[in-house]
Amino acid sequence: AQSVTQPDIHITVSEGASLELRCNYSYGATPYLFWYVQSPGQGLQLLLKYFSGDTLVQGIKGFEAEFKRSQSSFNLRKPSVHWSDAAEYFCAVLQTDSWGKLQFGAGTQVVVTP
Amino acid sequence: NAGVTQTPKFRILKIGQSMTLQCTQDMNHNYMYWYRQDPGMGLKLIYYSVGAGITDKGEVPNGYNVSRSTTEDFPLRLELAAPSQTSVYFCASSYGTGTHQPQHFGDGTRLSIL
Repeated sequence: AQSVTQPDIHITVSEGASLELRCNYSYGATPYLFWYVQSPGQGLQLLLKYFSGDTLVQGIKGFEAEFKRSQSSFNLRKPSVHWSDAAEYFCAVLQTDSWGKLQFGAGTQVVVTP
Repeated sequence: NAGVTQTPKFRILKIGQSMTLQCTQDMNHNYMYWYRQDPGMGLKLIYYSVGAGITDKGEVPNGYNVSRSTTEDFPLRLELAAPSQTSVYFCASSYGTGTHQPQHFGDGTRLSIL
């Protein structure tokens, strides 16, 4: 089965600085990948998704992610973070051997300092 | 737009008590899901439903039961609460499966078993 790994449990970044969150997947073929964000006390919101085609995907809130097959990665980036970006971020892969189940990574907690 | 609504938002139970977590969606989605979220573990699928009257187990179904009598509602039942069921529970829904049908999440139910 496909799986994703988020190597960073916690990241602290200054407001206005750039942010990159790592996500590595395990799957032989082209995976279907997602990034979700969870603000404190809220549910998960879809930021962006990758299925095929252009390897640079644009999402909401100024986020983008790049699919790199050679590195089995799907890293999330934002050029300049805002205090409101403090949240937990989850990478997920669609299990293609089932009906559409999502396999989530463990998440990365992002703290934004002034 | 209500989306996916979960009640209650918080609950404390004693060991051995039972309760039902409610989930309703107003998007006419066929697919509904229950996840639990534990720190550092991401989201684990408990049960899912592909339509009214049809449910199936996910990764961690033990200790839980579900029913789906209508398209809108997908309640999760804990029969004999145990400390291991202390978690945050999320309900989600999607129109279908596959790559173009993102899951929409509720805001969660925070459950403590003491």
